[in-house]
Amino acid sequence: EPEVTQTPSHQVTQMGQEVILRCVPISNHLYFYWYRQILGQKVEFLVSFYNNEISEKSEIFDDQFSVERPDGSNFTLKIRSTKLEDSAMYFCASSLHGANTEAFFGQGTRLTVV
Amino acid sequence: DAKTTQPTSMDCAEGRAANLPCNHSTISGNEYVYWYRQIHSQGPQYIIHGLKNNETNEMASLIITEDRKSSTLILPHATLRDTAVYYCIVSRRENTNAGKSTFGDGTTLTVKP
Repeated sequence: EPEVTQTPSHQVTQMGQEVILRCVPISNHLYFYWYRQILGQKVEFLVSFYNNEISEKSEIFDDQFSVERPDGSNFTLKIRSTKLEDSAMYFCASSLHGANTEAFFGQGTRLTVV
Repeated sequence: DAKTTQPTSMDCAEGRAANLPCNHSTISGNEYVYWYRQIHSQGPQYIIHGLKNNETNEMASLIITEDRKSSTLILPHATLRDTAVYYCIVSRRENTNAGKSTFGDGTTLTVKP
């Protein structure tokens, strides 16, 4: 069964460093998403991406964050200067269509900022 | 997207049906009801979705009331592996918009032997 793959599974970084979280969505999907979940809290929407541009973003997704689909298969989330409060599980998801379709989530990258 | 209300937690005996309710009284006509679950900090897993009619797949059934203000997810024969947090999400998605899912607190379902 096709799946969304995320790497790495766990990333530890120093405060102020840049990190790139990588995702390989399901190959024929057109819509891509990043969510995050701080330990013990809700899953929070960060950004959605379609047709090579951001479709929607939350207030969490400020100038420190950016997304890219560099080569038609990967979908990346970059955090420019990490803060302690960026420590969370980051989930990538993809869906075939926007309307009336389910989103498939990856297993997540646990980001720990020290 | 409309807001949803779910009970905080529920228990179910293994092998019995689990019925998880969700209220979405402010749902609008073009919004779908989606159910996802999250097993112990894994990525959320899609279960089922519907607009007006009841739906069934290999995992579950979704019953939506006629006025669409509430719905029930039914796991017909719950197993221990169904222990998870279940999220009811109302979302409008269009072909030109990726849309988003707004996850609430969900219902923690505990299936007991």
